[in-house]
Amino acid sequence: AQSVTQPDIHITVSEGASLELRCNYSYGATPYLFWYVQSPGQGLQLLLKYFSGDTLVQGIKGFEAEFKRSQSSFNLRKPSVHWSDAAEYFCAVSRPYNQGGKLIFGQGTELSVKP
Amino acid sequence: ETGVTQTPRHLVMGMTNKKSLKCEQHLGHNAMYWYKQSAKKPLELMFVYSLEERVENNSVPSRFSPECPNSSHLFLHLHTLQPEDSALYLCASTPKGARGEQFFGPGTRLTVL
Repeated sequence: AQSVTQPDIHITVSEGASLELRCNYSYGATPYLFWYVQSPGQGLQLLLKYFSGDTLVQGIKGFEAEFKRSQSSFNLRKPSVHWSDAAEYFCAVSRPYNQGGKLIFGQGTELSVKP
Repeated sequence: ETGVTQTPRHLVMGMTNKKSLKCEQHLGHNAMYWYKQSAKKPLELMFVYSLEERVENNSVPSRFSPECPNSSHLFLHLHTLQPEDSALYLCASTPKGARGEQFFGPGTRLTVL
């Protein structure tokens, strides 16, 4: 069965420090992978996605993620965190549209940013 | 702004009330979803509609009743809810052929007293 694990429930980093949020997935084929961000009281916004090709993908707001098939991971990174990055981050894997297009979400990682 | 709107943004209701949540998108997407997001729990997929036909119902209690009258609108009718149904209800849509990318609305914060 497909699953997504985000091992860190909550992370605190200082403003200007680098960030890495971990994501591991279980999927029987080449996955489609996503990172979403959710600010308090808001819906989810897509940060970036991976379908195939270059394993390092760039997203919005200065985020990037690297797909590592050997480790079944898709970790999110940012070189310098801003206070506005404080939010909850969700990793997700999907089935293709012709198989229902269903997104499987991790449990989320809450990011706090210290001044 | 993703182009998916939800109304109302906040709703407080008693356990005997009947209310409805509305989701609207004019993006030309033809699949729409309802999710429930409770505190400290993963997102729960409730219903999936594809081309106005319900294709998935994840063992959701019958006090939640979805309706998709056309490809742009999705409703969630609520009846005799329980306090544990208090949550953020999110709507999402996706275009045909999409590889899983979903566009989310801002959600409706529901409180059941």
